[in-house]
Amino acid sequence: ETGVTQTPRHLVMGMTNKKSLKCEQHLGHNAMYWYKQSAKKPLELMFVYSLEERVENNSVPSRFSPECPNSSHLFLHLHTLQPEDSALYLCASSQTSGNYYEQYFGPGTRLTVT
Amino acid sequence: AQSVAQPEDQVNVAEGNPLTVKCTYSVSGNPYLFWYVQYPNRGLQFLLKYITGDNLVKGSYGFEAEFNKSQTSFHLKKPSALVSDSALYFCASRSARQLTFGSGTQLTVLP
Repeated sequence: ETGVTQTPRHLVMGMTNKKSLKCEQHLGHNAMYWYKQSAKKPLELMFVYSLEERVENNSVPSRFSPECPNSSHLFLHLHTLQPEDSALYLCASSQTSGNYYEQYFGPGTRLTVT
Repeated sequence: AQSVAQPEDQVNVAEGNPLTVKCTYSVSGNPYLFWYVQYPNRGLQFLLKYITGDNLVKGSYGFEAEFNKSQTSFHLKKPSALVSDSALYFCASRSARQLTFGSGTQLTVLP
């Protein structure tokens, strides 16, 4: 195990639902990330929380809303999603001091939007 | 802008043969390069990294990668492939506080 957990592992939701994905890291890191992985596409960085600063990919729709209450927990709130949002959502964490920025990933949440 | 490219979507190799998964990079300054592996229904797992020093980097599960500055490459290698090595492999480079990933190469090791 990598020290990064994600719940739920699988989620099926309708387009009018509201749900949240949760990520927790037990590594003492100070940065957390949300990625979207779709079939046959590169990994897409959605959001970064680093030292309490949020950095986001401007192409991410507003129906995705991140929340990082502390350095160990990260949420992704979902509302009025579209079928094309179906994908594997990966959380990662890293330590931003030094030169490494090696990221540790959780197992992902497989999201299906119906 | 920092970027990496994986020119092969799919690599097939027979069990016991050496394997190579290719990656080229385009970065300004000193490159910080990484390889990750993803098994089915799992997140990405760190394999190895190049920061500085020896051009041959050794990592987990018997994998190694060779940093070649003149060819701007960072190919992943293993002397003898196992069926259990079949997975999706990602090359990545560090840019600012983030990693930029390649598109991935599906490695299939045939028994």
